[in-house]
Amino acid sequence: GAGVSQSPSNKVTEKGKDVELRCDPISGHTALYWYRQSLGQGLEFLIYFQGNSAPDKSGLPSDRFSAERTGGSVSTLTIQRTQQEDSAVYLCASSLGAGDVGGYTFGSGTRLTVV
Amino acid sequence: QQQVKQSPQSLIVQKGGISIINCAYENTAFDYFPWYQQFPGKGPALLIAIRPDVSEKKEGRFTISFNKSAKQFSLHIMDSQPGDSATYFCAAHSVYSGAGSYQLTFGKGTKLSVIP
Repeated sequence: GAGVSQSPSNKVTEKGKDVELRCDPISGHTALYWYRQSLGQGLEFLIYFQGNSAPDKSGLPSDRFSAERTGGSVSTLTIQRTQQEDSAVYLCASSLGAGDVGGYTFGSGTRLTVV
Repeated sequence: QQQVKQSPQSLIVQKGGISIINCAYENTAFDYFPWYQQFPGKGPALLIAIRPDVSEKKEGRFTISFNKSAKQFSLHIMDSQPGDSATYFCAAHSVYSGAGSYQLTFGKGTKLSVIP
């Protein structure tokens, strides 16, 4: 597609449930990033995928968070046993390749609300 | 933990005025400093960026000023317009030696309101 597509755009879930957030990067972009945006906290790096290399998971806040990227394209961020503090906007970005920071394109995000 | 400190948190400017947002960083290994603009319900979009070997970069009404010795950089929006009302994030890029990944570290954002 023309841009980075994220789904769902909004998700309300009950505390303790698992959620899956999806990101469809721009075709041909080999680098994919997940960030979390909490109110007044800026953007927090979560995880980075580059091609077929092992992902950089250094930003994942706990072992309840995991992500995968299938076939070097679509990525899914999974949050298990959701907590209220997980409520935030989850943003995905893609770029042509490693180091192409000038070419980050963000999706519109998934707003997650844990009740 | 690498940080980028951004101020002010919010800013109100009259139409036609100059909006100034400031950022400071600590890590001298940062090698690229972009600014992002975010409208409600949208993801951030790259606005303008600078590398540390340049002291100023101008694109239309938007200018980045960069002070390497002070480890500070700022965004100036000249002739601010109501359509500029958005949240602005400064960021800094680094390569982490461990995973070798490329990340942007973001400031906490400035909500700009330009009033007619």
